[in-house]
Amino acid sequence: QQQVKQSPQSLIVQKGGISIINCAYENTAFDYFPWYQQFPGKGPALLIAIRPDVSEKKEGRFTISFNKSAKQFSLHIMDSQPGDSATYFCAASNEAAGNKLTFGGGTRVLVKP
Amino acid sequence: GAVVSQHPSRVICKSGTSVKIECRSLDFQATTMFWYRQFPKQSLMLMATSNEGSKATYEQGVEKDKFLINHASLTLSTLTVTSAHPEDSSFYICSARGDLGETQYFGPGTRLLVL
Repeated sequence: QQQVKQSPQSLIVQKGGISIINCAYENTAFDYFPWYQQFPGKGPALLIAIRPDVSEKKEGRFTISFNKSAKQFSLHIMDSQPGDSATYFCAASNEAAGNKLTFGGGTRVLVKP
Repeated sequence: GAVVSQHPSRVICKSGTSVKIECRSLDFQATTMFWYRQFPKQSLMLMATSNEGSKATYEQGVEKDKFLINHASLTLSTLTVTSAHPEDSSFYICSARGDLGETQYFGPGTRLLVL
């Protein structure tokens, strides 16, 4: 059972545009929602994370929007740059379950110059 | 801060041999370490969770006798793939979490190719 569904699977955006990736979860016990960026052949790197007590969090060009009632959250990459081309994973975890991360399927983002 | 290393970065071995992968937290004490496997163009799949000084907890479908995990110290965990077969070829990634907060910091991964 895939508990975190991520869309789209791939995304092409022009330099300077906005990349938007969406995730939906099923387990209402999830209480921590990080986004990771992964380049080919490398491990994931934490980008930004949010807890369900806030609806939005911004760090530089990256913004998470969180809708608790809809059980959805999204990542917005503003002013997308070619160096942002990577695979992005949303994830969710539950402290009571040992903070094990459940990952979405990933979104491959290509930013064209 | 929060740097996690893995060694080796890639390994090629013959079918039937065992391979050990090390995961180290370099600048913090990792009370919990996680091991993931990632096949090409797929997401990360959690294999097991290990807490320092105790036995690892394996996810459903992961053979504990095949994937031996040791977490002997607060900065080192090892994954040994025993009697490796070509289907074990994958990208193995560890992550580490300290005793403060829920953030997991990932290692750079180990590419295993079993011939």
